[in-house]
Amino acid sequence: AQKITQTQPGMFVQEKEAVTLDCTYDTSDPSYGLFWYKQPSSGEMIFLIYQGSYDQQNATEGRYSLNFQKARKSANLVISASQLGDSAMYFCAIKNQGGKLIFGQGTELSVKP
Amino acid sequence: NAGVMQNPRHLVRRRGQEARLRCSPMKGHSHVYWYRQLPEEGLKFMVYLQKENIIDESGMPKERFSAEFPKEGPSILRIQQVVRGDSAAYFCASSPRLGDWGTEAFFGQGTRLTVV
Repeated sequence: AQKITQTQPGMFVQEKEAVTLDCTYDTSDPSYGLFWYKQPSSGEMIFLIYQGSYDQQNATEGRYSLNFQKARKSANLVISASQLGDSAMYFCAIKNQGGKLIFGQGTELSVKP
Repeated sequence: NAGVMQNPRHLVRRRGQEARLRCSPMKGHSHVYWYRQLPEEGLKFMVYLQKENIIDESGMPKERFSAEFPKEGPSILRIQQVVRGDSAAYFCASSPRLGDWGTEAFFGQGTRLTVV
């Protein structure tokens, strides 16, 4: 069975600082994908970034980057130059070979002015 | 978001009534996933459908819940005889091929069901 663990229920960061949101996973599949989503207070699920298990380089999308450490089974999200609008819940998810996404419990990020 | 359309956005039902949630996948996508998010929790998989076929319903409650994805029209998640514990956000996502999200996976904006 696959599992995603997000150990930080809540995080605070000062505006313009960088922040790392932790995500560890457990899977026996040799091929898998890792996703990060942002869920603001309005409720929608916003896709942020994807990392494939065979990708050699860490994924980056604008201010988002994924610190992928395959041996440690971690896929931490790094947000650089935090903005007030980054305040939201953040979810890490893993895709299994059957196509399902398995989500973690989420981390609530608060950006302080 | 990115073409996955869900309606209604908000739905209020009294206990015992039926709730019907609709999901239209992205253009060209023939596979639909339904997820439920209870308050203060992450999304939990419910069911995975292909047109006219249920691929995986391992996350569906055994009673009162059903899902379909007909040849024409949107996918429907139906909850019969709703109870307060069904109050949640229900999200839909779509993919172009069996078990293949590609490098992106977009969700609809969700339907927030409130049972009173």
